Amino acid sequence: GAGVSQSPSNKVTEKGKDVELRCDPISGHTALYWYRQSLGQGLEFLIYFQGNSAPDKSGLPSDRFSAERTGGSVSTLTIQRTQQEDSAVYLCASSLARTSLSSYEQYFGPGTRLTVT
Amino acid sequence: GENVEQHPSTLSVQEGDSAVIKCTYSDSASNYFPWYKQELGKRPQLIIDIRSNVGEKKDQRIAVTLNKTAKHFSLHITETQPEDSAVYFCAASGGYGNKLVFGAGTILRVKS
Repeated sequence: GAGVSQSPSNKVTEKGKDVELRCDPISGHTALYWYRQSLGQGLEFLIYFQGNSAPDKSGLPSDRFSAERTGGSVSTLTIQRTQQEDSAVYLCASSLARTSLSSYEQYFGPGTRLTVT
Repeated sequence: GENVEQHPSTLSVQEGDSAVIKCTYSDSASNYFPWYKQELGKRPQLIIDIRSNVGEKKDQRIAVTLNKTAKHFSLHITETQPEDSAVYFCAASGGYGNKLVFGAGTILRVKS
């Protein structure tokens, strides 16, 4: 089936504006993760969803960042009052249920490139 | 928390040669170690992974080894080809429902 999809692919916004980034996980994947990749850097964990709840939010950089997941599927990451240091590629990943032998594997979406001017 | 170190940061090899990338981790509770390949402007793609109950895993030209005692794991690519050129990331995790902690990445260049 289709892989993880994200929208928009690119977003340019002015400093101080709010942005919403969307992730559609692979159908049937119950776990969903958000990561951030700054230019030339590795991937930094933001938040993890199991179903609609978020047992691990430890990577969110500040209270300007929030995320939700509805219906155990689509997730949105919201950044309020964007700052220039928020510029990065935001990647979403999903994985199968715990009962699956492949449950550890995380599959990534193409990312949203956010530029804050 | 977990910390993953990855070396080297860049690696240039001649086509047909082997490439080895090494990672160390700090948290002995980590039990899952995937490797991702990321081409420029593309998403990270899982190429191979290993769990802590296994010491080595191979898939065609790619192999991963794990030394739990020393807390390090390595990616081995044999008979490298130009299309292997990319950034490679190692990661460590406590398994399902646990975040991946990534190394800083290795830029691999295969010269033809």
